[in-house]
Amino acid sequence: DIVMTQSPDSLAVSLGERATINCKSSQSVLYSSNNNNYLAWYQQKPGKPPKVLIYWASTRQSGVPDRFSGSGSGTDFILTISSLQAEDVAVYYCQQYYSPPYTFGQGTKLEIK
Amino acid sequence: QVRLQESGPGRVKPSETLSLTCSVSGRSINNYYWSWIRQPPGKGLEWIGYTYSSGNTNYNPSLKSRATISVDTSKNQFSLKLSSVTAADTAVYYCTGGGRWSDPWGQGTLVTVSS
Repeated sequence: DIVMTQSPDSLAVSLGERATINCKSSQSVLYSSNNNNYLAWYQQKPGKPPKVLIYWASTRQSGVPDRFSGSGSGTDFILTISSLQAEDVAVYYCQQYYSPPYTFGQGTKLEIK
Repeated sequence: QVRLQESGPGRVKPSETLSLTCSVSGRSINNYYWSWIRQPPGKGLEWIGYTYSSGNTNYNPSLKSRATISVDTSKNQFSLKLSSVTAADTAVYYCTGGGRWSDPWGQGTLVTVSS
């Protein structure tokens, strides 16, 4: 199985500041034949199901604010929130869908400082 | 707008079979992938498996062949059966669209394994 490791486990950022969450996979999730990274990011608010923010490592889902962006390739990925808003308080997960069983990172809890 | 809704018992006894159904509205279940993901209380997400509308499936080996996902195209539903449950199977179970990233998600249903 591909192990996904996120850092940090928790993060406190001031409103309007940048938040950065890292995700590392135990093996590459870059499919060389199409040059796509099989990596998604989700946001989960308390008591709600997760919501996909980013797929293919950097493609923003329709309706997701452009302050959310994804980057990285191979084994190292980053989710960036450029200017933190109060409604961004949540747990964020990365997921690889390169190879079943699809696996998630342990989650990063984002709070307001 | 595609909506998914899980249904099934909220409590299952140890060693019995957990059975959940996901009703899909706003889209035909045909020609799409559909998945189940679970989340133990206060913990992270675990992928259970997916099915294509044709019945092709893929499961998480960690479940040791206890999981079965099936599709009923006539009812626009898909289902999860998990046999020989233990307390470790207590979780919120989500049905989702997609065979790669998951979107959309149902609201989730808590299943508690307890006698």
